[in-house]
Amino acid sequence: GESVGLHLPTLSVQEGDNSIINCAYSNSASDYFIWYKQESGKGPQFIIDIRSNMDKRQGQRVTVLLNKTVKHLSLQIAATQPGDSAVYFCAGRSGYALNFGKGTSLLVTP
Amino acid sequence: DAMVIQNPRYQVTQFGKPVTLSCSQTLNHNVMYWYQQKSSQAPKLLFHYYDKDFNNEADTPDNFQSRRPNTSFCFLDIRSPGLGDAAMYLCATSRVAYNEQFFGPGTRLTVL
Repeated sequence: GESVGLHLPTLSVQEGDNSIINCAYSNSASDYFIWYKQESGKGPQFIIDIRSNMDKRQGQRVTVLLNKTVKHLSLQIAATQPGDSAVYFCAGRSGYALNFGKGTSLLVTP
Repeated sequence: DAMVIQNPRYQVTQFGKPVTLSCSQTLNHNVMYWYQQKSSQAPKLLFHYYDKDFNNEADTPDNFQSRRPNTSFCFLDIRSPGLGDAAMYLCATSRVAYNEQFFGPGTRLTVL
């Protein structure tokens, strides 16, 4: 039979621009959130995390913002580079489980 | 370097033929996880071990089993693979007191 593939949301940015990737979560009990980067054919790679008692955390070229009121998480990447092209997942922790969001494909164009 | 290793990276099996995927870690982490990731989808947790304690997710099919003979190794057994089980299988580890999960490179399973 015919198979229909799922298409990830795609964000296309020019090299050097800033990128903002958004994520909505539903589980109010999540106390910890992580952003992962996944390149094609590889496992997810940790980027940055944030605890639920914080609203902002900065890393090298990346910033995560957490708005618990509207259950929203965002990842900001400064001066986006071609090597940043990948799928980005947010994940919320509930107990031992990490519940992953659907993912966003980031495409960096020269 | 401490890491999570998965073997093989690519596995081809026939419909209904049992298959075992392997994961090992040099991180000495207490918790090991198995995730299933289908194309263009997020990883989905199948089960995890906290030391020797096995924890199955409620919606994981009985067709999927796991073994953890020691701290370093964890196996995923698929007893009768179906076409719908074709996916990337990811192993991850974490230290109980820490939150970050470290992922292996995954094994891509093809079912013919």
